[in-house]
Amino acid sequence: GAGVSQSPSNKVTEKGKDVELRCDPISGHTALYWYRQSLGQGLEFLIYFQGNSAPDKSGLPSDRFSAERTGGSVSTLTIQRTQQEDSAVYLCASSLARTDNSPLHFGNGTRLTVT
Amino acid sequence: DAKTTQPTSMDCAEGRAANLPCNHSTISGNEYVYWYRQIHSQGPQYIIHGLKNNETNEMASLIITEDRKSSTLILPHATLRDTAVYYCIVRVSNYGGSQGNLIFGKGTKLSVKP
Repeated sequence: GAGVSQSPSNKVTEKGKDVELRCDPISGHTALYWYRQSLGQGLEFLIYFQGNSAPDKSGLPSDRFSAERTGGSVSTLTIQRTQQEDSAVYLCASSLARTDNSPLHFGNGTRLTVT
Repeated sequence: DAKTTQPTSMDCAEGRAANLPCNHSTISGNEYVYWYRQIHSQGPQYIIHGLKNNETNEMASLIITEDRKSSTLILPHATLRDTAVYYCIVRVSNYGGSQGNLIFGKGTKLSVKP
């Protein structure tokens, strides 16, 4: 079946502009996660949604970052007033159930370049 | 911080078994061990996970020691396409029994050679 879909796959933006990144989770998956991966670095957790609520926003690096999820499905990660250090691959993942026994399935990410 | 320790890199000959070790000596009784891999320019791919018992699926086998302080991921017949960074992750239960986050460490870069 269809996996996690992210759009756009690549985004180039000028410093100071706002960007929106979209994630379509696997149908029926109640949990949704955002991570980012800077060049040559590991994955950094940003935020977790269960349904439409976000019980864990601890990884958002600044108040320029926000995310929402509507209808228990699509999620949007918004970065305001982008900075060059925001350049990274932003990865979305979803999982089926509310247990630790349910694997996360990742999309292929959005590569964001801030010039 | 990640709760696991893995070698930085490993080599494996094509067609041979790849055995990737992971130490997780501070694991708690209700925490799962997950394995993912990441091939260049792709998102992490789920491989396998387990709690106490050994597990096997179409991709790999997971061997967890009886004291649960370490585990080994086994790729039985490695191919060139298995070249990737392999992450061993202990899933932390943060949410009172509901889903915990996956905290990725640096992983093991496995190079499968002809």
